[in-house]
Amino acid sequence: EVQLLESGGGLIQPGGSLRLSCAASGFIFTDYAMSWVRQAPGKGLEWVSTISESGRSTYYADSVKGRFTISRDNSNNTLFLQINSLRAEDTALYYCAKDSRARISVIVVEHFDYWGQGTLVTVSS
Amino acid sequence: DIQMTQSPSSLSASVGDRVTITCRASQSISIYLNWYQQNPGKAPRLLIYAASTLQSGVPSRFSGSGSGTDFTLTISSLQPEDFATYYCQQSYSVLTFGGGTKVEI
Repeated sequence: EVQLLESGGGLIQPGGSLRLSCAASGFIFTDYAMSWVRQAPGKGLEWVSTISESGRSTYYADSVKGRFTISRDNSNNTLFLQINSLRAEDTALYYCAKDSRARISVIVVEHFDYWGQGTLVTVSS
Repeated sequence: DIQMTQSPSSLSASVGDRVTITCRASQSISIYLNWYQQNPGKAPRLLIYAASTLQSGVPSRFSGSGSGTDFTLTISSLQPEDFATYYCQQSYSVLTFGGGTKVEI
């Protein structure tokens, strides 16, 4: 059974930093890219960042580029998100998601087939 | 970035109703379109990927269609557990989600 368990959230002052973690189990971690998706209170979903299977390639939303860093420890099946220079608008539930890719003819469609329960980051003074 | 617009933003329906939710992309995205369901206080759940492929374990009352810029999610006979918020998401370029459609009783 695939399980994704996030941790590391909390109340942090503006300008502060946090490191989120996501412990993965139930699948071959090194075979899949992984992502973070966030959801502000009462709002919709926003993709934050993706990291490739090896960790060599990373991708970020413009809203977090330069402040957030995604990484992974393939030896321990763990995904991380280092979040710096936090702003009030970063307040959200942060979900870890497993990427999957489906080949339909010549097309490969990326989608998130498993999600964790999320860890809440609250930025407030 | 590609903008995804869902309509309606909310709807009221009854158990047994047929429900259709629309998602429109600001440019053509072929079939790079996924649908998720989110129940209150829960994580999103993948329903459909590549516009029309049902994720394993998802009931067959859910179906998806469309390509290019216009897509639909249909629930053929609404069940009590289907009252939730539904999101479309494109993976053609920088990943973006629609604003969501809340299905209420």
